[in-house]
Amino acid sequence: AQKITQTQPGMFVQEKEAVTLDCTYDTSDPSYGLFWYKQPSSGEMIFLIYQGSYDQQNATEGRYSLNFQKARKSANLVISASQLGDSAMYFCAMREGITGNQFYFGTGTSLTVIP
Amino acid sequence: DGGITQSPKYLFRKEGQNVTLSCEQNLNHDAMYWYRQDPGQGLRLIYYSQIVNDFQKGDIAEGYSVSREKKESFPLTVTSAQKNPTAFYLCASSIPWRLAGERDTQYFGPGTRLTVL
Repeated sequence: AQKITQTQPGMFVQEKEAVTLDCTYDTSDPSYGLFWYKQPSSGEMIFLIYQGSYDQQNATEGRYSLNFQKARKSANLVISASQLGDSAMYFCAMREGITGNQFYFGTGTSLTVIP
Repeated sequence: DGGITQSPKYLFRKEGQNVTLSCEQNLNHDAMYWYRQDPGQGLRLIYYSQIVNDFQKGDIAEGYSVSREKKESFPLTVTSAQKNPTAFYLCASSIPWRLAGERDTQYFGPGTRLTVL
């Protein structure tokens, strides 16, 4: 079974609107971390946001927030007030406490911001 | 500035030649990783290393080899046994899970784009 599932291969959003990128995960480990990364066309991987499995509140970093629904095993990324520079690939990832150092990545969502 | 460097950014090789991709970090991280990314695809783990002189195969290790003689360095060799080596290669590092806490993440290098002619 896939550890991380991203079901949206491509998304479009109007500039200045909010957009939600979906991510579901699969683990039986009670201790884990969830991550979102942005990959522009240049190829670099940019860390956006982190959510720990024991965190009570949803993580936020500027215009990025993570909608963490533990019972549903979902960790959706919300980007508010989209900008043209947000156009990129976005990857969801997970790190489990049991396996420790291994990170699992989803297949990514390509986001295009329309002027 | 602390970070991860990968060199070269672009690499061209003839079919059948071995090639080594460099990855260096000055973040003092114990764990290092190599990923392969094909166009429009996600990251697939090739090898990872948790400490010096130790490494484990990832999902697609066949045709690749690594070494970890120093904490700072984790070079990846793409051998002639790799059937389709043309891809984008990303190196990353992290601190151990037990020490990571709320600022946990992987740190990535800028990547090397390998083209086999």
